[in-house]
Amino acid sequence: EAQVTQNPRYLITVTGKKLTVTCSQNMNHEYMSWYRQDPGLGLRQIYYSMNVEVTDKGDVPEGYKVSRKEKRNFPLILESPSPNQTSLYFCASRDAGGTSGGKGWTGELFFGEGSRLTVL
Amino acid sequence: AQSVTQLGSHVSVSEGALVLLRCNYSSSVPPYLFWYVQYPNQGLQLLLKYTTGATLVKGINGFEAEFKKSETSFHLTKPSAHMSDAAEYFCALVPRSSASKIIFGSGTRLSIRP
Repeated sequence: EAQVTQNPRYLITVTGKKLTVTCSQNMNHEYMSWYRQDPGLGLRQIYYSMNVEVTDKGDVPEGYKVSRKEKRNFPLILESPSPNQTSLYFCASRDAGGTSGGKGWTGELFFGEGSRLTVL
Repeated sequence: AQSVTQLGSHVSVSEGALVLLRCNYSSSVPPYLFWYVQYPNQGLQLLLKYTTGATLVKGINGFEAEFKKSETSFHLTKPSAHMSDAAEYFCALVPRSSASKIIFGSGTRLSIRP
């Protein structure tokens, strides 16, 4: 079954304690990305990766790190979490489609089920 | 700068009534446009998309949307609401010049009254 898997689904932690949220996809997608969802703000892109070893900042990258050592995995790292990073996080993947989509590109993002993080 | 505006953070309709969720975008070049649905405690899934061609696009579960360039709109409709349509709906755009970015609207929560 094609899927994007995130872990953990729920996490309560304390300020400053490093944590990693894992993300793995089995669709051989080049593009992967992370979002945070906050009430009234929709989803905001944190980081994205067009392919292995290629990552770039989204709209809200402060306080987060990512790495893309393998095509299927794209972990999100919070080196020193703070309460304002309490949020619902989603990982997603899709075909890269080049820098401007391209012929036959569908653009459909496949999302994980989300990771609810609380930082006390 | 590109943006997506969803009018109404919460829409409530009766079962069997028309569903209309509004989405307007701001972009100098018409972008790729998407509607995603999020059911409780789940991730988002694609409802429908506009990339090229026909401006009226049909999606899953009886939803459809029409791309109107002159109005910079991509409103989502369904003729007859069902209880199972209760969810949060997000409109999103991907700029044609940069497929790496995606911009989401703030979402509209749809409630269905029996």
